Amino acid sequence: DAGITQSPRHKVTETGTPVTLRCHQTENHRYMYWYRQDPGHGLRLIHYSYGVKDTDKGEVSDGYSVSRSKTEDFLLTLESATSSQTSVYFCAISWTDTDTQYFGPGTRLTVL
Amino acid sequence: AQSVTQLGSHVSVSEGALVLLRCNYSSSVPPYLFWYVQYPNQGLQLLLKYTTGATLVKGINGFEAEFKKSETSFHLTKPSAHMSDAAEYFCAVSVSSGNQFYFGTGTSLTVIP
Repeated sequence: DAGITQSPRHKVTETGTPVTLRCHQTENHRYMYWYRQDPGHGLRLIHYSYGVKDTDKGEVSDGYSVSRSKTEDFLLTLESATSSQTSVYFCAISWTDTDTQYFGPGTRLTVL
Repeated sequence: AQSVTQLGSHVSVSEGALVLLRCNYSSSVPPYLFWYVQYPNQGLQLLLKYTTGATLVKGINGFEAEFKKSETSFHLTKPSAHMSDAAEYFCAVSVSSGNQFYFGTGTSLTVIP
């Protein structure tokens, strides 16, 4: 498995609080992605990064921001969490934009 | 724009029977196609991928898929289902002119003993 870790693995928070999820890789892949997985929707792209400080929006970016100050770390921030952001969040990495994506173990976030 | 359609959100097969999971894609340029598997409470793992060349692609755990351009399909098959194949399966497409993957909504495979 590619060296990808996500932290925390589980989090319960309250509506209106800020939340930051971390994705860390040891593989030096250029591309990093954040997805959310919800029943009936499969995986939906939130944001992705194609290099340090280079990021772009995905399909469902509203309410989320990201940062990548180092190659190995990609942070996803919910500035003010809402119940609709309760989901399982996956980080993925790849060498190129068309190459295989390798996934982390996921973070289960519950917003009460 | 690219898109992926997986026909059948739930598929049940008997142990030892053929597994067929359907995937159709929409793309205006030659696509790269992928199948991933997700076991409960885990991330996605690559089963197989098609980029160029041979249209029949073999993956791990006895799975294979055939790229059919005329049918815009990339169906996943396995001759004989095993109990350990029970999982969620995702088809995905990317293109060289784009910058994103597009995943289908997934097919949950149940294997009946």
